[in-house]
Order: sequence, then C-alpha cells, then structure tokens
Amino acid sequence: AQTVTQSQPEMSVQEAETVTLSCTYDTSESDYYLFWYKQPPSRQMILVIRQEAYKQQNATENRFSVNFQKAAKSFSLKISDSQLGDAAMYFCAYRSYGNQFYFGTGTSLTVIP
Amino acid sequence: GAGVSQTPSNKVTEKGKYVELRCDPISGHTALYWYRQSLGQGPEFLIYFQGTGAADDSGLPNDRFFAVRPEGSVSTLKIQRTERGDSAVYLCASSLLGGGSDTQYFGPGTRLTVL
Repeated sequence: AQTVTQSQPEMSVQEAETVTLSCTYDTSESDYYLFWYKQPPSRQMILVIRQEAYKQQNATENRFSVNFQKAAKSFSLKISDSQLGDAAMYFCAYRSYGNQFYFGTGTSLTVIP
Repeated sequence: GAGVSQTPSNKVTEKGKYVELRCDPISGHTALYWYRQSLGQGPEFLIYFQGTGAADDSGLPNDRFFAVRPEGSVSTLKIQRTERGDSAVYLCASSLLGGGSDTQYFGPGTRLTVL
C-alpha cells in the first residue's frame, strides 16, 4: 500500500519569509498524482497545488511551488512571501492510478507577524 | 449549491446507536468520496462513488459502515452500532469526473462524537 510521510508536525515562518514543507511517499506505481491541501481551522480542505508524476517540470501556483523528485519519492512545498492567511494544517496527498487517495499526517504551519 | 455541503455539522450519539451522515456534492460532479479524519491525522479514504455505484469501497473499516448514492448526487454514509472509536470528522469530497488530475472539492465535514 502507498504511504505518505510528513516528518514535520509543526513549522513556523516569519511573515514575508519563505518556508518549505517536506513530504515523502512510497509507491511501486509509475503513474500517479501528488497534491498539497490546506486545512484551516474551519476544517474545509482546500487544494493548494498538484503535480502529475509524468511531468518533470515542477508545478507553481503564485506563491506556492513544489520540488518534485520522482526518483527520491519526495514532494516538498515551498511557500514564498508567507502571509498570515497561510497559517493552517498542510496535508500532502498521493492519488494512485486506481483513484485512491492517501494523505500524510499533516504539518501545522504558524506564520509569525 | 456553490460548494459541497454536509449535514449535520456535528452529531453526538451514544454507543450502539445508528447514524446517517449526508453529503451534497457540487451539482454535476460525478465522483464522490468519503473520508474519515481522526484527531491529529490526515483524512483516511473510505469509499469512492462514480455515479450511483461504489467504484471502490476498500477503505470501509468493517461491515458496520455502508454508503449509498442512489441517484448519483446526494450520498449518505451510514454507521450501525456505533463505537467510541468511530468518533472522528467525516469528510466528503466531489469532483467533476473522478479521474486524472481532477480536483476534489471538500465539504466542511461532520464531527461525529460517540459517547
């Protein structure tokens, strides 16, 4: 079974600075998708960014970018110019070819004003 | 509606009781997912519907859990003989087609507490 590991339970960043959240996964599949979701205290999960495994180019969405290392099975999220509204739980997720989703245990991000 | 809605937002029940949790997906979305999120954990996949049929129910923990989606839109997650270990937030998500890089849109969840 696929597993997703987030080794940083908590992270903090100064407002306007850059922070990187790490994620590793284990799979024997060659075709899959990776996602980062944000979950604020309201509980509603919001998609931040996604990456198709067959694409070598790292995905970017405004201040959010990923570093996807397929051979190393690593998928980190970089948040640039951190804002107070970025404070939330961040979950890394793996979607298998069979359409099952596996989530990590999350990283709680605090943004310090 | 504009987003995925779930009712009730909170449910408190006693051990051994039966509960139903409802999910209203985004109109037109064919795929619907149920997840369970325990405290301090990420969402755990339960079941995935494509249309009216359960395409994958391998995440349901045991036969006390059952889900339906009779008309391909609203879904109900049913839990029989609830146990204290069933206490969690139950999340529902929907997506347009259910494949590829299709985006899942999540509801706010139902917090279930079994006393």
